[in-house]
Amino acid sequence: QSGLTQPPSVSAAPGQKVTISCSGNSSNIGKNYVSWYQQLPRSAPKLLIYDNNKRPSGIPDRFSGSKSGTSATLGITGLQTGDEADYYCGTWDSSLNGGVFGGGTKLTVL
Amino acid sequence: QVQLVQSGAEVKKPGASVKVSCKASGYTFSNYDINWVRQAAGQGLEWMGWMNPKTGNTGYAQKFQGRVTMTRDTSIATAYMELSSLKSEDTAVYYCARRMVGATFFFDYWGQGTLFTVSS
Repeated sequence: QSGLTQPPSVSAAPGQKVTISCSGNSSNIGKNYVSWYQQLPRSAPKLLIYDNNKRPSGIPDRFSGSKSGTSATLGITGLQTGDEADYYCGTWDSSLNGGVFGGGTKLTVL
Repeated sequence: QVQLVQSGAEVKKPGASVKVSCKASGYTFSNYDINWVRQAAGQGLEWMGWMNPKTGNTGYAQKFQGRVTMTRDTSIATAYMELSSLKSEDTAVYYCARRMVGATFFFDYWGQGTLFTVSS
């Protein structure tokens, strides 16, 4: 199952902004909505963004999502040490007829 | 409150089968598909498939077709994922997660995860 492409790691200082990219193709991101998840150590993933840019109840507006063509981006502003986690993008792949995730990006808040 | 509670860790030998359960509570079981996602140690998320609790319909990732079976018992709001012909590469944490029927690909609640280890 082909996956989506994310940078392995990103880092930024507390209070700063960071973006995490997620690259796919015309069968997955190009055709379907993207969701984003935060996974803290030894925990299950937690939904941050769905339908490209919508936040579930309880997710602060420091987290934002966008999509353009076959790529999507997660933005996090006002970084906090508690934001240190792995972040994953996911979407449906219409060619594979299945779900696909990115390889994950480890965020370090320096 | 919505909860997905999974069965406990297991150790299996290569070639065996394992069946993991996912008990749902706090919502109408039939309104949400149950998906299964696995994660090997230090690795990313891998989608395995989905099951509609109302109809029993399923869809599996190509990689697992022929080895995975997703079922449910609506009387106890529990979904099951059985994986057969286990290999060492199947050692991972397995999560169930719900997706509203008819919604796009996203999971708003996840189980706590079940670790199963395949070792001789």
